[in-house]
Amino acid sequence: DTAVSQTPKYLVTQMGNDKSIKCEQNLGHDTMYWYKQDSKKFLKIMFSYNNKELIINETVPNRFSPKSPDKAHLNLHINSLELGDSAVYFCASSRYTDLPYGYTFGSGTRLTVV
Amino acid sequence: QQQVKQSPQSLIVQKGGISIINCAYENTAFDYFPWYQQFPGKGPALLIAIRPDVSEKKEGRFTISFNKSAKQFSLHIMDSQPGDSATYFCAATSTDSWGKFQFGAGTQVVVTP
Repeated sequence: DTAVSQTPKYLVTQMGNDKSIKCEQNLGHDTMYWYKQDSKKFLKIMFSYNNKELIINETVPNRFSPKSPDKAHLNLHINSLELGDSAVYFCASSRYTDLPYGYTFGSGTRLTVV
Repeated sequence: QQQVKQSPQSLIVQKGGISIINCAYENTAFDYFPWYQQFPGKGPALLIAIRPDVSEKKEGRFTISFNKSAKQFSLHIMDSQPGDSATYFCAATSTDSWGKFQFGAGTQVVVTP
């Protein structure tokens, strides 16, 4: 019974390709996030959606486009992949009225661009 | 720039010893300070957290000490066990920031038997 699940867990792709990472949560949360963890393990927020509406949009190249079809799903699409996009991407979720409590991370997607 | 500075980068401690990790922040709007534990191949998991209206919080072997005037907080792991070997992140956020957490750079803790 995974609370925040991401697919795929590993993704190896060539430079210039377009790829998507999917995230789903079954916690009944209404707010979802994408974080990037670089090779030095530094975690930085990229995006957040609340009830399908974009609420946090950090300085991220516009090759990255999040999409939230409903409040239980938040996908990340990356165009024209570059070597520097190699990282672990974490999805997280929370309930807005419980913030900052109840923040739950997924297990991550390790993206390797070759 | 990093809004939360964490030290040390890594730490080796013997079983039964005390691990201490320190964090400092600048933004006085932060009002929630969690610590996360991350094992290899897993996502960060909440370990313990504190609000600035208390100076210390203890949960089992884990204690947060908070110094509001110095804008510093620290994690103490008492009686460290090999199973505590992980990367620890401090973080900070403000209640009105929609859950936007600022993370420290992480501390890799290795507990030797």
